[in-house]
Amino acid sequence: AQSVTQPDIHITVSEGASLELRCNYSYGATPYLFWYVQSPGQGLQLLLKYFSGDTLVQGIKGFEAEFKRSQSSFNLRKPSVHWSDAAEYFCAVERTSYDKVIFGPGTSLSVIP
Amino acid sequence: DGGITQSPKYLFRKEGQNVTLSCEQNLNHDAMYWYRQDPGQGLRLIYYSQIVNDFQKGDIAEGYSVSREKKESFPLTVTSAQKNPTAFYLCASSRPNEKLFFGSGTQLSVL
Repeated sequence: AQSVTQPDIHITVSEGASLELRCNYSYGATPYLFWYVQSPGQGLQLLLKYFSGDTLVQGIKGFEAEFKRSQSSFNLRKPSVHWSDAAEYFCAVERTSYDKVIFGPGTSLSVIP
Repeated sequence: DGGITQSPKYLFRKEGQNVTLSCEQNLNHDAMYWYRQDPGQGLRLIYYSQIVNDFQKGDIAEGYSVSREKKESFPLTVTSAQKNPTAFYLCASSRPNEKLFFGSGTQLSVL
């Protein structure tokens, strides 16, 4: 079945440490890829998206993500985590234009001061 | 201001009752979506619509129904056939391949 997986349910990092959140998808072709963040009590906010071109995508709040076709992955990274980054992170995939958007199960990030 | 509005914020359902969640957008988006959010399961797609008078089932459509009679509106009915309806429901809209704009959600609970 076509799906989006985020292998890490929960991650804890120290403030100032680097972060990588994993995302894998199982669609055959290269889909449209997104990362969203949901802070406690807040709505979902788009961090970045990938459609085509440069496989390293820059987003808001210092986040970046790298698309790797050979691994069907779109991992999210941040070089130095801030306490305010504690939130739930969702990877999402849209297979083609005018198609449904499917979300992964999410990764909950905790930040230790 | 353009945006997407969900109502009510909180909703309670009695046994055997159908309830309808409202979703309205004034962003002129063609696509609209309904997701269900449960702890640890992310956002699961219930129904989506890419155009007026047309909609498609998502991964967990059983026990739910929708309509898309107007571009701006995409109401979701949680029927009595949905045996575990307690969840947070999010409506979203978008242009093709663009980011989703989300409503503030409806928390549905069973009495």
